[in-house]
Amino acid sequence: QSVLTQPPSASGTPGQRVTISCSGSSSNIGSNTVSWFQQLPGTAPKLLIYSSRQRPSGVPDRFSGSKSGTSASLAISGLQSEDEADYYCAAWDDSLDGYVFGTGTKVTVL
Amino acid sequence: QVQLQQSGPGLVKPSQTLSLTCAISGDSVSTNSATWNWIRQSPSRGLEWLGRTYYTSKWYSDYAVSVKSRIAINPDTSKNQFSLQLNSVTPEDTAVYYCVRGGKYSGWYYFDNWGQGTLVTVSS
Repeated sequence: QSVLTQPPSASGTPGQRVTISCSGSSSNIGSNTVSWFQQLPGTAPKLLIYSSRQRPSGVPDRFSGSKSGTSASLAISGLQSEDEADYYCAAWDDSLDGYVFGTGTKVTVL
Repeated sequence: QVQLQQSGPGLVKPSQTLSLTCAISGDSVSTNSATWNWIRQSPSRGLEWLGRTYYTSKWYSDYAVSVKSRIAINPDTSKNQFSLQLNSVTPEDTAVYYCVRGGKYSGWYYFDNWGQGTLVTVSS
């Protein structure tokens, strides 16, 4: 069962900015870095953000991450139709001694 | 370019052992710059990290509390692959299983390369 809480859905029109939140606790987001993943239908998750705000090479700069206290956010600016996917956050949890994931957010491009 | 190729049965009977293998190309299972993980995904449990193996002077394995009593993740250096064994499975273990590399970035490990996924169904 997922330990990090995300809104189940988010939406926007092409070109808009969409923000997804990820809420945790002092044992995970509060003391460790956050990563974000994009999962297109029928495919494996893909790393979008690491170290809370860094992008791997090849990830467009439309995607940005931030972290404050026990919460993190992923922002998608200039929303495009190909951004329609599920998005997940993840972090190491010091109490569980393992990685925990978010509940996932489905982004719809209207 | 790192590629992970999974193999193993898609159907396992209750109480039996789930076994999957992940062949690595473009990297080494013995590198000290990565961890080798198994993650599963199901509608009821979402994404769930199961455990990892990695090498830093010696081999280590860490497991999620939820499966710790019945899981083993082992490297096979001769074939450059790693494996998952999950014992005493129940229908609750039905999920898509992924092998995943934890690449090292700024001293931390992040899930940067994923296998294609294997749907494993536990049913008699």
